[in-house]
Parts: sequence; C-alpha cells; structure tokens
Amino acid sequence: DTGVSQDPRHKITKRGQNVTFRCDPISEHNRLYWYRQTLGQGPEFLTYFQNEAQLEKSRLLSDRFSAERPKGSFSTLEIQRTEQGDSAMYLCASSLVSGSGYTFGSGTRLTVV
Amino acid sequence: SQELEQSPQSLIVQEGKNLTINCTSSKTLYGLYWYKQKYGEGLIFLMMLQKGGEEKSHEKITAKLDEKKQQSSLHITASQPSHAGIYLCGADRGGGKLTFGQGTILTVHP
Repeated sequence: DTGVSQDPRHKITKRGQNVTFRCDPISEHNRLYWYRQTLGQGPEFLTYFQNEAQLEKSRLLSDRFSAERPKGSFSTLEIQRTEQGDSAMYLCASSLVSGSGYTFGSGTRLTVV
Repeated sequence: SQELEQSPQSLIVQEGKNLTINCTSSKTLYGLYWYKQKYGEGLIFLMMLQKGGEEKSHEKITAKLDEKKQQSSLHITASQPSHAGIYLCGADRGGGKLTFGQGTILTVHP
C-alpha cells in the first residue's frame, strides 16, 4: 500500500476559477477526512466520510466547497469561484472506523492569485 | 481560543541538545496524537497516547500523557538536524476528527 495519495501537489489558479482536488485513501480505510491548513496554523477539520456517506461538515466549509466520495474509495474536494482566502494547504487523511490512527497525505497546496 | 495550546511556538537548539514541547488542553484528552510536518508537506505520524500516565518512545522521541489527561509532552533526546520541522499535537474529539494545536517550529543547528 502506498499510503494516502493526493493530487495535484500544487495548484495555482486565478480568483474566480473552480478547482478540484483528489484524494486516494489507504484501501482498507473506511473513513476519509479533509482538513485545511493555513500558514503558521495547525490543520482545521473540514469534513469527513464513512464509506460514501458524508457524516459531518465544518462551518468552515462554505457553499462554494463540495466534497464527494461516490464509491467509498477516492474523494474529491471542489472549490467554486475561488477567493484569495482559499489559499492554503488542503490535507486528506484516512482511518479505519475504529479510529485507531489517522494517516495523512502529502497535501495539495492551493494558491489563488 | 485554541482548544489545544502548544508551547513553545518555536524552538532553536544546537545539535545534541535535549528539548521538550508541551501540549495543553482545556478539555480531557481521550486520544492525543503527535505528528511531524516538514514545511509544505503532509503530516507524519509519530505517536498516539490514550491512557493517563501513558508514555511511548520511538528512537529518540518520547511522548507522555499526564494522569489527568489534559497535558502531553514530547521530548527529543540528543537532537539532530533531521528532527527539524513542525511538531503538531492533535486531540481526538470523537466523531472522527482531530483538533490540532498551532504547531511548534523546531530548528536544530549543526
């Protein structure tokens, strides 16, 4: 197993454009999480899935953000009409339902210009 | 205010020195995770603590959770340049998410 994979590693986009990130979790992990990390801060929880069901969304996840995990495997995070404040590192993590440990991916760094 | 407070915010040490990073919670910790992060990269799992008084070690890094389960410390013995990075503590708040401290930036001078 290659761990949690995220694609792309870096994304530069113009304000107002839409972007989509992908996360491939560890194959046997039922849970998948998205976090956002800004410079000098710890990661902040955005949302998580158990299999294909989205079980919780943070208030940080505005209407412009949407996440899916259609077949309970990989997940996508889409940001519509990007703003400069969306510039951050977007981290994906996965775990077993038992919460025995969270494995993080390398993240996608988004820069909105 | 932060649920998890890390101290210090940054630390500069000479290679070979010991150091300690603290993580304090305003609530009881039922699962406390330590991660290391290189700038611009993802989080690397170090250790997880669950029981009051628990202590775990891996190579030169030791993590402890106090008996009251509101404070954890991460101790590095004989630091090396490879230990440099950002250290993050994260608390399992249930419902499948972690709440993180703001991180401690460690610099180790050779």
